[in-house]
Amino acid sequence: RKEVEQDPGPFNVPEGATVAFNCTYSNSASQSFFWYRQDCRKEPKLLMSVYSSGNEDGRFTAQLNRASQYISLLIRDSKLSDSATYLCVVNIPFSGSARQLTFGSGTQLTVLP
Amino acid sequence: NAGVMQNPRHLVRRRGQEARLRCSPMKGHSHVYWYRQLPEEGLKFMVYLQKENIIDESGMPKERFSAEFPKEGPSILRIQQVVRGDSAAYFCASSPPGGRQETQYFGPGTRLLVL
Repeated sequence: RKEVEQDPGPFNVPEGATVAFNCTYSNSASQSFFWYRQDCRKEPKLLMSVYSSGNEDGRFTAQLNRASQYISLLIRDSKLSDSATYLCVVNIPFSGSARQLTFGSGTQLTVLP
Repeated sequence: NAGVMQNPRHLVRRRGQEARLRCSPMKGHSHVYWYRQLPEEGLKFMVYLQKENIIDESGMPKERFSAEFPKEGPSILRIQQVVRGDSAAYFCASSPPGGRQETQYFGPGTRLLVL
């Protein structure tokens, strides 16, 4: 079983649609959770951190359910510029280092005009 | 403030040659991480370094791969005797001292192609 699992998609949605991505992680000792965005052949960029209380940044809302080991990202009123691969990222303590990130394989989103 | 810099951006090597990938962290950052992204896969952690120290190399292949972050100059990821399976994008990230885990800023990556 992968440490971080995501639906690979692709998700093809019209502009203005609401789209939700899900992610599960296997290690209950995971400490920190994030969504990154990666454009084609570019580096990952931090989109937002994810907290148990849920957090919102404009059109983006992230939720964490520690009991179910489940993370979600909701994008409202999607824009063409939202087209990218969305990476679920978890900090899993390993070998005494709390600084390595474990990435899911990503969910590809294409927003259509 | 320049971001994380990596060079070269593209590197072509023949099997058996050596590849050297360089990473200059953001100004003021003292933590460097290397990740590898194989085609159609997610990023995989390789190594975490601070100046002159390897902190965590649990993701590094046992052979042919090494990394350093000297007191002066960029961090270097070195791959000896490259094989076709080493073809991938290699991303470097940096974070400030004492910074929270999520403040890892990624460089543009080096795309290695082994012929």
